Amino acid sequence: EAQVTQNPRYLITVTGKKLTVTCSQNMNHEYMSWYRQDPGLGLRQIYYSMNVEVTDKGDVPEGYKVSRKEKRNFPLILESPSPNQTSLYFCASSLLGTGSSDEQFFGPGTRLTVL
Amino acid sequence: GQSLEQPSEVTAVEGAIVQINCTYQTSGFYGLSWYQQHDGGAPTFLSYNALDGLEETGRFSSFLSRSDSYGYLLLQELQMKDSASYFCAVRGNTDKLIFGTGTRLQVFP
Repeated sequence: EAQVTQNPRYLITVTGKKLTVTCSQNMNHEYMSWYRQDPGLGLRQIYYSMNVEVTDKGDVPEGYKVSRKEKRNFPLILESPSPNQTSLYFCASSLLGTGSSDEQFFGPGTRLTVL
Repeated sequence: GQSLEQPSEVTAVEGAIVQINCTYQTSGFYGLSWYQQHDGGAPTFLSYNALDGLEETGRFSSFLSRSDSYGYLLLQELQMKDSASYFCAVRGNTDKLIFGTGTRLQVFP
């Protein structure tokens, strides 16, 4: 089954404790990205990657890191989480350059609470 | 800056037609997409317009006017299950994907 998986789905942590949210897709997609969703603010892109070893900042990259060592995986790293990073996080993937569609496939989401 | 504007909320009754508008201001433009998100769920793709005009997919249609930086999603024969949030999204020339803040659609019996 074609899908994007994220782990963990729920996480409660404390300020300053490094954490990683994993994201994996099995569709051989080039483009992967991370979003955070906060009430009234919609989905805001944190980082995106066009392919292996190619990453770029989205609109809200501060406090986050990513890596793309393999095509299928795109982990999100919070080196020193703070309470303002409490949010719902989505990973997404898509093909690039089809011209006829820009369909993003989203993972199920990770609800993060930083105390 | 780059931004997309859409209404925050729309209400309608079952069987009706509703239009959700989206105006955008972005650096470059490759296409306008629409996503549906039910409460507690992930966004799911509905449609994509790269060229001017209307794209129809069943009860849902999406329209784009590049000259007006404007698009809309048209939902016909509304059903209760259409109650959800709807987001427009634009990919600009930096390959960032910018989403609107979402329109919450409530369908009443």
